[in-house]
Amino acid sequence: DTGVSQDPRHKITKRGQNVTFRCDPISEHNRLYWYRQTLGQGPEFLTYFQNEAQLEKSRLLSDRFSAERPKGSFSTLEIQRTEQGDSAMYLCASSALAGGWNEQFFGPGTRLTVL
Amino acid sequence: SQKIEQNSEALNIQEGKTATLTCNYTNYSPAYLQWYRQDPGRGPVFLLLIRENEKEKRKERLKVTFDTTLKQSLFHITASQPADSATYLCALDIRNNDMRFGAGTRLTVKP
Repeated sequence: DTGVSQDPRHKITKRGQNVTFRCDPISEHNRLYWYRQTLGQGPEFLTYFQNEAQLEKSRLLSDRFSAERPKGSFSTLEIQRTEQGDSAMYLCASSALAGGWNEQFFGPGTRLTVL
Repeated sequence: SQKIEQNSEALNIQEGKTATLTCNYTNYSPAYLQWYRQDPGRGPVFLLLIRENEKEKRKERLKVTFDTTLKQSLFHITASQPADSATYLCALDIRNNDMRFGAGTRLTVKP
């Protein structure tokens, strides 16, 4: 296992289109996080899963965003009816909560550009 | 409101000097705090974790302090090198190992 992977690495779409991103976490990790990051800002929490259960969703996340983690393995993040303000880097991270400390391992991110 | 603030967006220092980055927070009571490094176009990479009952933690040239009274963590890089140039992020455990990140400080170490 070489770490967290994300696909695609880059996505350019037109406003109003739907997009879906995939994240494959480190295999033994039970927690999976989605973040959004814009230039000059830190990662902004979107949602996280423990195994297949979505435990928290940011209040900043509109109903156009949905995430799934079927079977507690990979996860998908879908954005419907994209807007220009959705342009950002979308980061996925996973953690094992080994010893109770949540060291997160990040993927390379998916850069979304909405035209 | 809850805030995580990192000092100045950018910090420039000369090679060999000690870089000190600050993370202040309000209206949180984290059980622990983490520091990450992020290079352009890449995801953050974990560096250090410090628990609420620890005052200081060291790893090679890195040192982190955590003052829960001041609600502040300091991150030091001693004998800095140009390769240390990156953005450094602090992250707080806000509850149940749910993490929140600061905006980061961009460090540039000049030769």
